[in-house]
Amino acid sequence: AQTVTQSQPEMSVQEAETVTLSCTYDTSESDYYLFWYKQPPSRQMILVIRQEAYKQQNATENRFSVNFQKAAKSFSLKISDSQLGDAAMYFCAYARSNDYKLSFGAGTTVTVRA
Amino acid sequence: DTGVSQDPRHKITKRGQNVTFRCDPISEHNRLYWYRQTLGQGPEFLTYFQNEAQLEKSRLLSDRFSAERPKGSFSTLEIQRTEQGDSAMYLCASSKSRSMNTEAFFGQGTRLTVV
Repeated sequence: AQTVTQSQPEMSVQEAETVTLSCTYDTSESDYYLFWYKQPPSRQMILVIRQEAYKQQNATENRFSVNFQKAAKSFSLKISDSQLGDAAMYFCAYARSNDYKLSFGAGTTVTVRA
Repeated sequence: DTGVSQDPRHKITKRGQNVTFRCDPISEHNRLYWYRQTLGQGPEFLTYFQNEAQLEKSRLLSDRFSAERPKGSFSTLEIQRTEQGDSAMYLCASSKSRSMNTEAFFGQGTRLTVV
C-alpha cells in the first residue's frame, strides 16, 4: 500500500511571504501522480496542483509550485506571495497511473498572518 | 452545473440507526468515489464506481456499509446500525475519464455524528 506523510501539522506565514509544505511518499511504482489539495474551512476539497511522475519539470500554477524529487520520494509545495485566502488545510495525495484512488497525507494547516 | 452536490450536509443520528447519504456528481462524469475523513486526518478511500458498476471497495467498508449508483448517475451510501466510530465527514468526488489528467472534483461532504 502507498503511504503519504506530511510531517508538518501546522505552518504559519506572513502575508506576502513564502511558505513551503513538505510531503514524502512511499511507493514501488515508477509511474504515478502526485497532487496538492486545499481544503478551506467550508470543507470542499480543491485541486491546487498536479505532478506526473514521468515529468522531470516541476509543475507550477501561478503562485503555487512544487519541488518534485523522485529519487527521494519527496513532493513539497511552495506558496509564494501568500494571501489571506490561502489559509486552509493542505493535503498531499498520491495515485498510481493505472489507478483511481487517491491516498492522502494527514494534512498541514496553513495560517496566514495579516 | 454547480459541481458535486451532497445531501444532507449534516446528519445527527442515534447509535444503531440507519442513515443514507446522497451524492450527485457533475453530469458528464462517469467516475464517482466515496471517501471518509475523520477530524484532523486526510480522506480515506471507501469505494469507487465507473458508471453504475462498483469496481472496488476498501476494507474500511464493513458489511454495514453499502453503496449504489443506479443508472450511473447519483450515488447513495448507506450505513446500517451506526456506531460512534462511524462519526466522520463523508466526501464524494467525481471525474470524467480514466485519465488522471482529469481532475477529481469533490463535494462539500456530509458530516455524520452518531450519538
